[in-house]
Formats: sequence, structure tokens, C-alpha cells
Amino acid sequence: AQSVTQLDSQVPVFEEAPVELRCNYSSSVSVYLFWYVQYPNQGLQLLLKYLSGSTLVKGINGFEAEFNKSQTSFHLRKPSVHISDTAEYFCAVTLGAGSYQLTFGKGTKLSVIP
Amino acid sequence: GAGVSQTPSNKVTEKGKYVELRCDPISGHTALYWYRQSLGQGPEFLIYFQGTGAADDSGLPNDRFFAVRPEGSVSTLKIQRTERGDSAMYLCASSLNQETEAFFGQGTRLTVV
Repeated sequence: AQSVTQLDSQVPVFEEAPVELRCNYSSSVSVYLFWYVQYPNQGLQLLLKYLSGSTLVKGINGFEAEFNKSQTSFHLRKPSVHISDTAEYFCAVTLGAGSYQLTFGKGTKLSVIP
Repeated sequence: GAGVSQTPSNKVTEKGKYVELRCDPISGHTALYWYRQSLGQGPEFLIYFQGTGAADDSGLPNDRFFAVRPEGSVSTLKIQRTERGDSAMYLCASSLNQETEAFFGQGTRLTVV
């Protein structure tokens, strides 16, 4: 079975500073990896995804993530955050390659401080 | 419609009552997923439909939960004899098929009092 660990439940960061949100996963099969963002009382919006190919993937709003198979990690990064990035971020893994049934981490609350 | 639509957006019900939550997927999407997100947690898988049939209902917590998709489009999640522990955000997602990206609706926030 798949599992996802988001190591930080809360991350405060000053505006215009860089940020990294950590995600580790475990799976016995090849998987797809995702990062979603959730604003208060909203649904989930896809930030980026890794399916195959280049291990560095770029997403919306200036975010990027790097897939590291040996460390089973998929950390999310942004070089300079804005107030509007304040939200909760979820890392997710599929049941397997070719499936979009998702297992989510518990989330990381990013708070951007002016 | 342009996106996945869930109604109602908020539902407050009394303990023991029956509730129905509706999901309108993106037109033409054959795969449909329900997830439950408790406060402070990530979404948890409940059930997956491919067309009209439930291809995987392993995430339903108990027999009080049931979901249908009779015509392969709209889906309804039904909860009988609601308990306070059922309070959560219920999210629906749809995709063209099982092998393509899923798009999420805005969710229904269920509160059992």
C-alpha cells in the first residue's frame, strides 16, 4: 500500500523568502506524484505533477518540485513566496502508474508573514 | 458545466438523520472519485466509479455510507444514521478515464450536530 509523509505540519516564512515543503512517500510500485493547494473552504487545485521523464517539474504560481527516486521524496519549492501563497499544501501519490486514485499526506500549512 | 460541481456547499444535519451529497462531474468524464477530508487531515479515498459501477469502494468506512451513479454521470453519496464523527469536507473529483488527471470540486462541508 502507498503512504505519504509530509514532515512539517506548519511552515511560517517571510514574504519574498524561499520555501521548501517536504514530502516522502512509500510504494512498492511505480507511482505518479502530485502537489495540490487548498485555500480556506475551497477544493483542491493541482499545482504540479510528476508522471515520468525529467525529475524537475514546474507548476503554476512559480512552484517546482523534484522527484528523487532513491530518497523517495518529492519536495516542493518556491524561490520567493507571496502573501497569496498562504494556504495548505498536500502531497499525493497514485495507486500506481496508470491510476489516478490518490493517497494524500496530512498537509502542510504555509503561512507567509508580511 | 465547466468544472466539477458539488451541492450543497454546506450541510448541517442532526445526529441520526440521513443525508445525500451530490456531485456533477465534468461532462464526458467516466471516472468519478469521492474523498473525505476531516479537519486537519488530508483527503481520504472513499469510492471510485468507472461509468455506472463502483470499481473500488474499499474506502467506505462502514455500511452507513453508500454511493450511486445510476447513469454514469451524476453521483450521490448517501450517509445513513449520521454521527458527529461524519462531520468533514466531502470532495468529489472526475477524470476522463482512470488514466488521466482528476479535477476536484469545491466540496460539501457536512456538519453533524
